[in-house]
Amino acid sequence: EVQLVESGGGLVKPGGSLRLSCAASGFTFSDAWMSWVRQAPGKGLEWVGRIKIKTDGATTDYAAPVKGRFTISRDDSKNTLYLQMDSLQTEDTAVYYCVTHRSIVNFLDNWGQGTQITVSS
Amino acid sequence: DIQMTQSPSTLSASVGDRVTITCRASQSISTWLAWYQQKPGKAPKPLISKASSLETGVPSRFSGSGSGTEFTLTISSLQPDDFATYYCQQYNTYLTFGGGTKVEIK
Repeated sequence: EVQLVESGGGLVKPGGSLRLSCAASGFTFSDAWMSWVRQAPGKGLEWVGRIKIKTDGATTDYAAPVKGRFTISRDDSKNTLYLQMDSLQTEDTAVYYCVTHRSIVNFLDNWGQGTQITVSS
Repeated sequence: DIQMTQSPSTLSASVGDRVTITCRASQSISTWLAWYQQKPGKAPKPLISKASSLETGVPSRFSGSGSGTEFTLTISSLQPDDFATYYCQQYNTYLTFGGGTKVEIK
């Protein structure tokens, strides 16, 4: 059974930084493209960014609102996905989900339970 | 960027009703379209991939159709467990979600 467990969420001040982790199990993590998706309170889903697998260069892509501020990385030896968030803004307040891709397409297969990030002074 | 527009944003219906949700893409996405169901406080659940392929375990009352820029999600006979918010998502170029359709009890 695929399990994705996010951690690292919490309250942070505007301009601050936070790193989220996603511990993966139940599948071959090193073979999986991974994404982060967020959902602001009472709002819809927003894709944050994606990381491909090592053989695809572990290439990353980001949505415009977070490009240059957020960094996605992976540690295949630890089956863990990361989201480094810098220069946080109040608009980044959301639940952040770790998600697997199906094969090498951008269909989002398995979702974690999410972790809450609140950016507030 | 490809924009996805869902309608309606809210839909009031009764158990047993046939329900249709529309999703339009700002440019052609072939059939690279997914539908997800989300209940309050829970992660989204994939329902349909490739515009019309039902995910394993999803009831057959759900169906998807369309190609190019126009897509629909249909629930043939609404059940109590179906009251939720539904999102479309294109995956032709990166990923973009529609704004969501909340299906409420009438």
